[in-house]
This record gives sequence, structure tokens and C-alpha cells, in this order.
Amino acid sequence: DADVTQTPRNRITKTGKRIMLECSQTKGHDRMYWYRQDPGLGLRLIYYSFDVKDINKGEISDGYSVSRQAQAKFSLSLESAIPNQTALYFCATSDGAAGSFSYNEQFFGPGTRLTVL
Amino acid sequence: DQQVKQNSPSLSVQEGRISILNCDYTNSMFDYFLWYKKYPAEGPTFLISISSIKDKNEDGRFTVFLNKSAKHLSLHIVPSQPGDSAVYFCAASAETGNQFYFGTGTSLTVIP
Repeated sequence: DADVTQTPRNRITKTGKRIMLECSQTKGHDRMYWYRQDPGLGLRLIYYSFDVKDINKGEISDGYSVSRQAQAKFSLSLESAIPNQTALYFCATSDGAAGSFSYNEQFFGPGTRLTVL
Repeated sequence: DQQVKQNSPSLSVQEGRISILNCDYTNSMFDYFLWYKKYPAEGPTFLISISSIKDKNEDGRFTVFLNKSAKHLSLHIVPSQPGDSAVYFCAASAETGNQFYFGTGTSLTVIP
């Protein structure tokens, strides 16, 4: 079984709809992240959480919100989807036990392809 | 502004030859660098990393070189195999920071 799972894997929705993308992990990691990938722009960080009570904005958080329901679950919401939020979304986890953030490899889920019409 | 750049969107190499993927960065505070490999319909997977205290790190067929003065790193794959065909992302972070910055990716095709 996959260590980091994302649901749904594909979603098509309309402008103005509320969408939730879910991420679950069985790695026991404290740290979880949401990225989006756009052609020509690589992966960009939306939000990250270093534990259940910690939520932080990344470089492109506008239009998004997150919820860390448990150590293993981290959800990303688009309150009112717009077409430029069409992208591939990845959840990732890392182990916070090793200390410094920058020395922790991230483990990615398979991605959710979201299309907003 | 893109702090990590991969200027070659694609690269084709014959099986058995060397693949060299390049990455440039602008932030002199970056001190840790990683390469990820991504197959279609899958998430990126970690490949190899290097700290700024080193200029080379090797893991089997994969070697990463870091040139701090040029703010440049490269990934060498020798010999290249068809299974190496994937998109490769470089990423960078600073110990005092709180996130990784990813490049735009290079799509490698290894021709049998």
C-alpha cells in the first residue's frame, strides 16, 4: 500500500464550486505539505504543517485553505474554485524528528489532477 | 521570481551514454539541494541530495556536483538506462528557511 495517498486522483469542477482535496499518510511523519505543479513553473508550496496545531502559508496560499485533522490527514480546500487553479496538486510528508527542516527528504503522494471549467 | 531554474525543458540521450541535467539557483542562502525523479501519473521520488559543505555526492549511477561560486548544480547519470526516462526536478532550501524551492523540471528520454 502507498505511504501517501491522495483523493480524488482526478476532479473536474466548475467555477465557484467548493472543492476539497484529501491527503493521508501512514509514514508517521509530523510534517505535511501541499504543492501545485503547473507547466513551466515546477512545484510551488501552497501550505505546510509541522504538527497538528501548526499551519503555515507557503508562497501561493491565496484562494486556498487547509485543515490538519490528525497527524495523518491534511486537507486542501478551494473555497470558490477559479480556472487558474487548474493544476496538478501534490501532498508530501517529511520526518520532523531529524531537526532542521532543510535536511528532511519529502515523500510525495501520486497527485490530484484538478480541472476548473 | 524563480529562485531555482532548470533551463533545459527536455534532454534525449542514447542508452549507455551519460545524461547531464543542470540546475541554477539565485539565492546564496541555499545550502541543501535535492534531485527528485517523476514518472507520469506518480508523485516525485527522492533521488539524491547534496549539502553545501560538499561539492560532489555519488550514489551508484547518479552523481550530483555542486559549484557554489557559480550557484550551479548538475546531476550526472552514467550509464543512462531507458528506465531513467522521467522528469527530473532539482530543489533547494536554506537551513534557516522553511520550504524547498523547486525548479521547473527537465524531461529526460533515454533512447534504447
